[in-house]
Amino acid sequence: AQTVTQSQPEMSVQEAETVTLSCTYDTSESDYYLFWYKQPPSRQMILVIRQEAYKQQNATENRFSVNFQKAAKSFSLKISDSQLGDAAMYFCAYRSEWTGANNLFFGTGTRLTVIP
Amino acid sequence: KAGVTQTPRYLIKTRGQQVTLSCSPISGHRSVSWYQQTPGQGLQFLFEYFSETQRNKGNFPGRFSGRQFSNSRSEMNVSTLELGDSALYLCASSLRGEGAFFGQGTRLTVV
Repeated sequence: AQTVTQSQPEMSVQEAETVTLSCTYDTSESDYYLFWYKQPPSRQMILVIRQEAYKQQNATENRFSVNFQKAAKSFSLKISDSQLGDAAMYFCAYRSEWTGANNLFFGTGTRLTVIP
Repeated sequence: KAGVTQTPRYLIKTRGQQVTLSCSPISGHRSVSWYQQTPGQGLQFLFEYFSETQRNKGNFPGRFSGRQFSNSRSEMNVSTLELGDSALYLCASSLRGEGAFFGQGTRLTVV
């Protein structure tokens, strides 16, 4: 089974600074998707960014970008110009492209605090 | 375009009762997945429905069941509730090639 590991339970960043959240995963598959989700206090999971494994180019969405290292099975999220609204739990997730199913395997999350 | 809608938002039930949660996916999405989120176990996959058929199932007891209707709306049922079933239940709808989009969740408290 695929496993996703987030080794940083908590992180903090000063407003306007940059922070990187780490994620590693274990899989024997070659085709898959990776995602970062944000869960603010409202509890709704919000898709931040996604990466297809077959694409070498790192995904970017405004202030959010990833560093995808397929051989190292690493998928980190960089948040630039951090804002107070970025404070939330961040979850890394994996989805297989082999099975055809849509279920996600989640990491344990990283709680991000943004300091004004 | 409306997002994923889950009802009810909050629910309090007594041990031994059963409960039904509802999820309406984004229009056009035929895949609906359910997840349980607890502080101790994190986010765990319950099951996925696609075109009214259960396509995938997580490691949960048979007390947890679901179904999907022809309009893609899905329901999840938990019978004989236990205290440990207290959790946030999240529903997500998906299209292949895209990420999963989640509803706001149903917070179930079993007393």
